[in-house]
Amino acid sequence: SAVISQKPSRDICQRGTSLTIQCQVDSQVTMMFWYRQQPGQSLTLIATANQGSEATYESGFVIDKFPISRPNLTFSTLTVSNMSPEDSSIYLCSVAEGINQPQHFGDGTRLSIL
Amino acid sequence: AQKVTQAQTEISVVEKEDVTLDCVYETRDTTYYLFWYKQPPSGELVFLIRRNSFDEQNEISGRYSWNFQKSTSSFNFTITASQVVDSAVYFCANGGSQGNLIFGKGTKLSVKP
Repeated sequence: SAVISQKPSRDICQRGTSLTIQCQVDSQVTMMFWYRQQPGQSLTLIATANQGSEATYESGFVIDKFPISRPNLTFSTLTVSNMSPEDSSIYLCSVAEGINQPQHFGDGTRLSIL
Repeated sequence: AQKVTQAQTEISVVEKEDVTLDCVYETRDTTYYLFWYKQPPSGELVFLIRRNSFDEQNEISGRYSWNFQKSTSSFNFTITASQVVDSAVYFCANGGSQGNLIFGKGTKLSVKP
């Protein structure tokens, strides 16, 4: 399966700032997703990153708060904007070769907001 | 709407015991996919299995086995002769029509020596 590199692995940020998380894959993939996992909780999909077009956001997540880019088939970024303590979570990217193919996950970014 | 229920929040067993993790799903799709993932304490998510709705055969992989029953909308996961290394949170998930995964809340399995 693809090797997925996610950066940074962790960060501590100040309230009101923004952080961009990068997801790099070692091969071209059809689908890329961004999930959030709050402490001790399950995973919730934020959005599907679409190559060359705007991401598709799930209910409860908006582009102004979580802008996503996907300039090509191997790279995507997620920005967490104007952060508050409630944004403290693990953010994970995943990739898949197609719809309902197994998704493989990066190691995640552990984000803490003070 | 799709939904995945993992009623067992935490399970604790002693090494070598067998353990079954339950998963019940809801979907209106006639074609759908079910998945199991493992998240050990180190945090990475590990894909274990994918099953489509047309294949109800049970599957066995080493000490792991899966029982898919459409009649009860269940996709249960059994670990035989559990080991300490099996300690993790296990997630069941349903594949959505857009390729996204709907995850259950997870079952935390602790295997004690």
